[in-house]
Amino acid sequence: DAMVIQNPRYQVTQFGKPVTLSCSQTLNHNVMYWYQQKSSQAPKLLFHYYDKDFNNEADTPDNFQSRRPNTSFCFLDIRSPGLGDAAMYLCATSRDSGTGADTQYFGPGTRLTVL
Amino acid sequence: GQNIDQPTEMTATEGAIVQINCTYQTSGFNGLFWYQQHAGEAPTFLSYNVLDGLEEKGRFSSFLSRSKGYSYLLLKELQMKDSASYLCASMDSNYQLIWGAGTKLIIKP
Repeated sequence: DAMVIQNPRYQVTQFGKPVTLSCSQTLNHNVMYWYQQKSSQAPKLLFHYYDKDFNNEADTPDNFQSRRPNTSFCFLDIRSPGLGDAAMYLCATSRDSGTGADTQYFGPGTRLTVL
Repeated sequence: GQNIDQPTEMTATEGAIVQINCTYQTSGFNGLFWYQQHAGEAPTFLSYNVLDGLEEKGRFSSFLSRSKGYSYLLLKELQMKDSASYLCASMDSNYQLIWGAGTKLIIKP
């Protein structure tokens, strides 16, 4: 089945220790997104890629970086996690149909705990 | 500013019907999405409306009124597995999704 995969599902890190979350997709979509979602809150878009074209949201902290080495994979790097970065991190993909109004499909998420 | 409003929580009875409302204010409009999110899991796509009216998909229907900036999700024949959060998201003129915080739906037997 075509899908969006995130690893790991649960990640525990220590305050200030860099962590990398990964996302892969077999949908062959050329748009990929990273969201942060805290409990009972709306997902917050951190950045997205149109193919290799990186788009950073204006209010995404510099502590968050992303890499997309190829169409299938995308990584979220948190350089120095703080307690406030504990959240669910969601990866999503959409195809670029040319109309712009494309459905986003989500991976299962990685729940990050910062000790 | 851009804003999505939906109730924080609703309770309904198994077998009944429930309507979850959403009002939106976005810079431009390219459609309204509804997603279901079970606790601790990722959102899954339910529906997309870009034209006014009702779209029916099995037990779930979604309605849109663009002039009123209003949508609702209608769930019929409620089942216990429908207990989840329901997220409304409006797509703005830049094709970015503006998300609501979700409505937590509690189903009681």
